[in-house]
Amino acid sequence: GQQVMQIPQYQHVQEGEDFTTYCNSSTTLSNIQWYKQRPGGHPVFLIQLVKSGEVKKQKRLTFQFGEAKKNSSLHITATQTTDVGTYFCAFSGSARQLTFGSGTQLTVLP
Amino acid sequence: DTEVTQTPKHLVMGMTNKKSLKCEQHMGHRAMYWYKQKAKKPPELMFVYSYEKLSINESVPSRFSPECPNSSLLNLHLHALQPEDSALYLCASSSDFSTDTQYFGPGTRLTVL
Repeated sequence: GQQVMQIPQYQHVQEGEDFTTYCNSSTTLSNIQWYKQRPGGHPVFLIQLVKSGEVKKQKRLTFQFGEAKKNSSLHITATQTTDVGTYFCAFSGSARQLTFGSGTQLTVLP
Repeated sequence: DTEVTQTPKHLVMGMTNKKSLKCEQHMGHRAMYWYKQKAKKPPELMFVYSYEKLSINESVPSRFSPECPNSSLLNLHLHALQPEDSALYLCASSSDFSTDTQYFGPGTRLTVL
């Protein structure tokens, strides 16, 4: 079945530095969603992208969906300690099945 | 109300015990899900209910038995579990469109002794 590869697996940044995580698929995706899971918490929906080349922003977060709809990225500008957590991309196929990427665990050093 | 609630928050059980996890949502969503998440891993889909009917069972062992009594409730009955079943069990819900957002509950952290 369809899968997405997510890189990097871990990222340590100094507070104030930027951070990017990438998701790549070998097949075209109908949509991509991004979730954040804080340590000890549960996944929380951030955004969904459905259009080729789509770019969406939420304050310091910028989400992109590739032109071929095979890759996506999440970029955080000037990280803060509140950004700590694991960021997952996910896509939904038929039958409401959400498949998650492996996640990128972000650590922000004060 | 965009909340999914789950009880209990923590559960410790022996391999011979029978227990149930409960999930509730009042958003009018018609799709509900059970996921299993091991430490440092992504959630893995177990079951999907659509309009109170089981639509997906991801080859989950029969010691896990889901139940959807009504459109707001989802249960997961546990029996004769193994220590490797220890994990965070997450419930989620979404409206009936396949590309819609899933709202996750806080999860039940299960330990099987």
